[in-house]
Amino acid sequence: QQQVKQSPQSLIVQKGGIPIINCAYENTAFDYFPWYQQFPGKGPALLIAIRPDVSEKKEGRFTISFNKSAKQFSLHIMDSQPGDSATYFCAASRDQIQGAQKLVFGQGTRLTINP
Amino acid sequence: GAVVSQHPSWVICKSGTSVKIECRSLDFQATTMFWYRQFPKQSLMLMATSNEGSKATYEQGVEKDKFLINHASLTLSTLTVTSAHPEDSSFYICSARVPLGLAGGNEQFFGPGTRLTVL
Repeated sequence: QQQVKQSPQSLIVQKGGIPIINCAYENTAFDYFPWYQQFPGKGPALLIAIRPDVSEKKEGRFTISFNKSAKQFSLHIMDSQPGDSATYFCAASRDQIQGAQKLVFGQGTRLTINP
Repeated sequence: GAVVSQHPSWVICKSGTSVKIECRSLDFQATTMFWYRQFPKQSLMLMATSNEGSKATYEQGVEKDKFLINHASLTLSTLTVTSAHPEDSSFYICSARVPLGLAGGNEQFFGPGTRLTVL
C-alpha cells in the first residue's frame, strides 16, 4: 500500500512534443505529490508538487494532473526541449504538520527529447 | 532559497576504511534530513531519517552500525559509512525538509549527491 507505480520506464519524444508520465498510488492517506527531475550524477530537483484539493497545477511548461478518485497523477511537459532529457520521479507522502513524512518514490522514467 | 549541499561530491576509499559524508542546509534550518542511496538506473532508496538532537530512524534492512548518522545541528547531518566494502559503492543523496511555513508543508530539497567508490 506504500508503493507508487510509475510508467513508462522510458520515453522518447520529439522536440516540441508533450511527454506524459503517469503515477498511481494505493494509500489514500497520501496528500502530497511532488515530481522531481534528476540529471545524471546529480541530486533530484523539485519540479512541481500538488495537493489533492486541486485537480491541476501548472508551473511554466510543467503541469500536474491529479485524479483523486482514480488515485493517479501525471506530469505533462509542454513544448519539450532536448534540455528536458532527464530521469523524472514522482513521489507521494502524507503532508502532516507534525513530524517529517517520508517520500515514497516511483521507479523513475528516463525521458529523452530528440532534437 | 532551499539549497542543500553535500561534501564531498565524490570519494574513493580502500576497503575497511570509514568515510564521512556531510549534508548541509545552506539557507534554512532543517530539523529533519533524510539519507538516500541510489544505484545506477534505479530509484532512490530511503536509508534513514535524521532528526536534529535525537537518534536517526533507520529503514528496515539498513544496518545502523554500518551507516552512522549524526544530526548535531539544524543545518548539518553526517553519514559515516564504517568499514566500507565494495558493495557499499553507490550514490548517496541527502535531503532536507523545509520547515513548516517556509514552503507550506512537506517539501524536501535534495543535495547534489556523493559518489562513493570502495576499492
